[in-house]
Amino acid sequence: DAGVIQSPRHEVTEMGQEVTLRCKPISGHDYLFWYRQTMMRGLELLIYFNNNVPIDDSGMPEDRFSAKMPNASFSTLKIQPSEPRDSAVYFCASSSGQREKLFFGSGTQLSVL
Amino acid sequence: RKEVEQDPGPFNVPEGATVAFNCTYSNSASQSFFWYRQDCRKEPKLLMSVYSSGNEDGRFTAQLNRASQYISLLIRDSKLSDSATYLCVVNGGSSNTGKLIFGQGTTLQVKP
Repeated sequence: DAGVIQSPRHEVTEMGQEVTLRCKPISGHDYLFWYRQTMMRGLELLIYFNNNVPIDDSGMPEDRFSAKMPNASFSTLKIQPSEPRDSAVYFCASSSGQREKLFFGSGTQLSVL
Repeated sequence: RKEVEQDPGPFNVPEGATVAFNCTYSNSASQSFFWYRQDCRKEPKLLMSVYSSGNEDGRFTAQLNRASQYISLLIRDSKLSDSATYLCVVNGGSSNTGKLIFGQGTTLQVKP
């Protein structure tokens, strides 16, 4: 298996632009997580899905952030409009059960200028 | 109070030393506990799960103290390759079992 695949690896954009991050979980995994990592706040859980349904989005910072999972093999995290404070590494992770270990993608380094 | 708290360190130790990290969590209903390792500019990877009875994996020992709500990780005979950030992970309690919350991480630097 290829593992969790995220794209793009790096994204540089200007303030106000829309940013879309993509994730393909490991086949057969029914949980998908989006995390954001910064030096100041560490790894923060933004949202997680179970069987494509959002379960907890309490970590989504504000309405500018939205996440979807249209099917079991694809999820997106969208920021519109982006702001410099959104600059961070965004990780997607998947697992095969609610108490199983997480497999992380390589992350997307987002820089908003 | 943060849901999962760790001493960020850094812990600077010589090769061969024994080092211990602690992590405290706020939700007494949490049921799942893990230690993850993250190398610089890489994704976190599972180091070990933490069981109620404590568990050992080679040079690594994890302990859980439910009464005091803390988890520990002990590394014996430190190697240069152990240098990394160690992340404590706890689930969100019985009402939100799938939610996995990470601590800020403890940085370990093993020196020759």
